[in-house]
Amino acid sequence: ETGVTQTPRHLVMGMTNKKSLKCEQHLGHNAMYWYKQSAKKPLELMFVYNFKEQTENNSVPSRFSPECPNSSHLFLHLHTLQPEDSALYLCASSHKLSSGSYEQYFGPGTRLTVT
Amino acid sequence: TQLLEQSPQFLSIQEGENLTVYCNSSSVFSSLQWYRQEPGEGPVLLVTVVTGGEVKKLKRLTFQFGDARKDSSLHITAAQPGDTGLYLCAGGLSGSARQLTFGSGTQLTVLP
Repeated sequence: ETGVTQTPRHLVMGMTNKKSLKCEQHLGHNAMYWYKQSAKKPLELMFVYNFKEQTENNSVPSRFSPECPNSSHLFLHLHTLQPEDSALYLCASSHKLSSGSYEQYFGPGTRLTVT
Repeated sequence: TQLLEQSPQFLSIQEGENLTVYCNSSSVFSSLQWYRQEPGEGPVLLVTVVTGGEVKKLKRLTFQFGDARKDSSLHITAAQPGDTGLYLCAGGLSGSARQLTFGSGTQLTVLP
């Protein structure tokens, strides 16, 4: 299943670097998400985009900057990160069911290590 | 405070055994989803339940949504090593159903 793809799969960066994570969904969904998954912690929602508009920013530090140029692509721009930002970053997209609920589909994630 | 509590946190069993994992909350959800995640990969959606009391089966996996839509269970019959993984439940709250609230997961290991 390659409905949601993420690149790169692994990234090592220094604290002074600037890098970007990319996510692309091929499912025709209208909403896209960034999550952070750290060891021994539940998934943390970072950003939500609906029809390219940001609808949620869960108090994420400004060193993380999302960009959604269209409903199929989502980026997460990273700069001056801290070691505690090392984690698995997951992208997801969702569609609305006839019941009114939403189903989310995840990409494989980017394993980020900040040195 | 964790909105969705999953239990047990860790479960290690022998191949062929049955098991049940639980997802509980004091909140009512409009939907509840179960995912399985393998190391270094993203969660894979297994099922979505939306109606109180609903039961869905996926081969050896049986999912149930509580009558009051506050809890859910996942039962695996005759577990196999391929069932090993992190099982996550996630609930959609009415009014903000586009967002999901995730539990912390149950790490299942099935030994051959």
